[in-house]
Amino acid sequence: DAGITQSPRYKITETGRQVTLMCHQTWSHSYMFWYRQDLGHGLRLIYYSAAADITDKGEVPDGYVVSRSKTENFPLTLESATRSQTSVYFCASSEFSGGNEQFFGPGTRLTVL
Amino acid sequence: QKEVEQNSGPLSVPEGAIASLNCTYSDRGSQSFFWYRQYSGKSPELIMFIYSNGDKEDGRFTAQLNKASQYVSLLIRDSQPSDSATYLCAVIPRTGTASKLTFGTGTRLQVTL
Repeated sequence: DAGITQSPRYKITETGRQVTLMCHQTWSHSYMFWYRQDLGHGLRLIYYSAAADITDKGEVPDGYVVSRSKTENFPLTLESATRSQTSVYFCASSEFSGGNEQFFGPGTRLTVL
Repeated sequence: QKEVEQNSGPLSVPEGAIASLNCTYSDRGSQSFFWYRQYSGKSPELIMFIYSNGDKEDGRFTAQLNKASQYVSLLIRDSQPSDSATYLCAVIPRTGTASKLTFGTGTRLQVTL
């Protein structure tokens, strides 16, 4: 399917487990982003990537790991999930930096028990 | 002080009226400004972006930017029930990289019949 997809859409896990959220885009956009959205905090940037093998931290990177071996994929891993990581996670992509539009995936709702 | 501030609402307007959504930002050197719409349970989608002082119109939507006062607003004319959503203001601050959006927490708009 064309566009940006995320999997799984819903995930329940337990504290201490490793979880990987997948993001895939078919546009060959250079930039990809991971956000989390929580009540009272809005969307906060976790990590972003300007190209394959280039990643950088956002506002709230602690407890998360990313990789980008291929342009179209940008997985987000929670190495040891905590309850505070319960959130809705959005992946986004954009063709260029700066003012270019970011396109968002449908989101993954993660619950950490 | 938050980098991007919005009134959480809800802002309730009758159908056919003008809805006015406001956003202030703290970084005076911010360059680019965006309005995203997010329906409940869905991902954000871009409505408008604005870079220069003044007004920018697109159909029923008008974005207004005043860099001296550090605010950006979104006007929705002839509001429809389908406009009921949360509107997110996003800014690219001077201190960040050109790719990194900072979001406000959003204003929930309710258009009543």
